[in-house]
Amino acid sequence: DTGVSQDPRHKITKRGQNVTFRCDPISEHNRLYWYRQTLGQGPEFLTYFQNEAQLEKSRLLSDRFSAERPKGSFSTLEIQRTEQGDSAMYLCASSSGTGHFMNTEAFFGQGTRLTVV
Amino acid sequence: GQNIDQPTEMTATEGAIVQINCTYQTSGFNGLFWYQQHAGEAPTFLSYNVLDGLEEKGRFSSFLSRSKGYSYLLLKELQMKDSASYLCAVPRSSNTGKLIFGQGTTLQVKP
Repeated sequence: DTGVSQDPRHKITKRGQNVTFRCDPISEHNRLYWYRQTLGQGPEFLTYFQNEAQLEKSRLLSDRFSAERPKGSFSTLEIQRTEQGDSAMYLCASSSGTGHFMNTEAFFGQGTRLTVV
Repeated sequence: GQNIDQPTEMTATEGAIVQINCTYQTSGFNGLFWYQQHAGEAPTFLSYNVLDGLEEKGRFSSFLSRSKGYSYLLLKELQMKDSASYLCAVPRSSNTGKLIFGQGTTLQVKP
């Protein structure tokens, strides 16, 4: 396994278009997270899956955002009717949460950089 | 709620030692993480502290004081490749592993 992979690495889209990003976590990890990061800031939590269940969503995640993890493996993040304010790096992370905290170290993908023009 | 503060930028010289501070306020404490992030790349795990004291890992050490809500990352024998952003993060809860990040400290190492 080569780690968390995200696709595409870069996406430029026109305002109003829909975009979808994919994340493939480390295969044995049951937890998957989406974060958003803008320049000069730390990542901000968007949503969290344990297996296929979406257990938490941030208030940052408006109705235009939806995330899925249908089989508890890869995940997709869709943004509908994109706005310029959606321009950011979208990071995916996975961990193997077993209840003991050291096992919940999160491994991050390299992110998808979205530019809305 | 949770709040994390770290300096925005720091500059240091190759071969020197630098200390990056992080203060936090949390409603419950489940440990503190440090991540390194090079420009355009993924954050990578550096350290995790849950007990008070200093944890050393090669050139990098991390310190925690739970009573003071304070941590620092100590980088020794700085190398040019250490130029990166250093992110302090605390878990929101012990169940989910969701992380709350500080804004990151951009470290520039000069020759």
